Amino acid sequence: RKEVEQDPGPFNVPEGATVAFNCTYSNSASQSFFWYRQDCRKEPKLLMSVYSSGNEDGRFTAQLNRASQYISLLIRDSKLSDSATYLCVVNKAILGSGNTGKLIFGQGTTLQVKP
Amino acid sequence: DGGITQSPKYLFRKEGQNVTLSCEQNLNHDAMYWYRQDPGQGLRLIYYSQIVNDFQKGDIAEGYSVSREKKESFPLTVTSAQKNPTAFYLCASTDRGGRSNQPQHFGDGTRLSIL
Repeated sequence: RKEVEQDPGPFNVPEGATVAFNCTYSNSASQSFFWYRQDCRKEPKLLMSVYSSGNEDGRFTAQLNRASQYISLLIRDSKLSDSATYLCVVNKAILGSGNTGKLIFGQGTTLQVKP
Repeated sequence: DGGITQSPKYLFRKEGQNVTLSCEQNLNHDAMYWYRQDPGQGLRLIYYSQIVNDFQKGDIAEGYSVSREKKESFPLTVTSAQKNPTAFYLCASTDRGGRSNQPQHFGDGTRLSIL
């Protein structure tokens, strides 16, 4: 089983649609969670951190469910410019030892927003 | 401007040749990382360094070597022992490495191909 699992997609949606991605992680000791965006042939860029209580940044909402070990990203009112691959990222921690300083990256979910 | 600079952007390697990828950061970050990304796949950790003069192997260190003589620099050498080096190489850094849960920030990558 992969440490971070995402549905690779692609998700093809029309402009203005609401789309949600989920991600599951296996390491129950993980404490930090992020969503990154990666455009084709470019480096990943931090989209947002994910906090326990859930957080919102404009059209983007991130949620964390520790009990079920999954993270979600909701994009409202999709724009053409939202087309990219979204990477779910979790810190690698060891029970009893804490943070290793390493991050684990999911394979990514590809979103294509159509006019 | 503060950031992470990778060079060159494109690199070609001949059979049996060692090549070195440069990564420099002026963010005063303690920790630096090297990842490899293959088409349609997630990022895999090659090496990381949480402090000057110290580094650790990641998940796929065979055929690679690094050094961390200066805080701002973390060059990666792809040796002739790496039989499948064609990939997108990404360097990242973060403040306080293993002692924090901060996200990593990436350079814009180097694409390595075999001649």
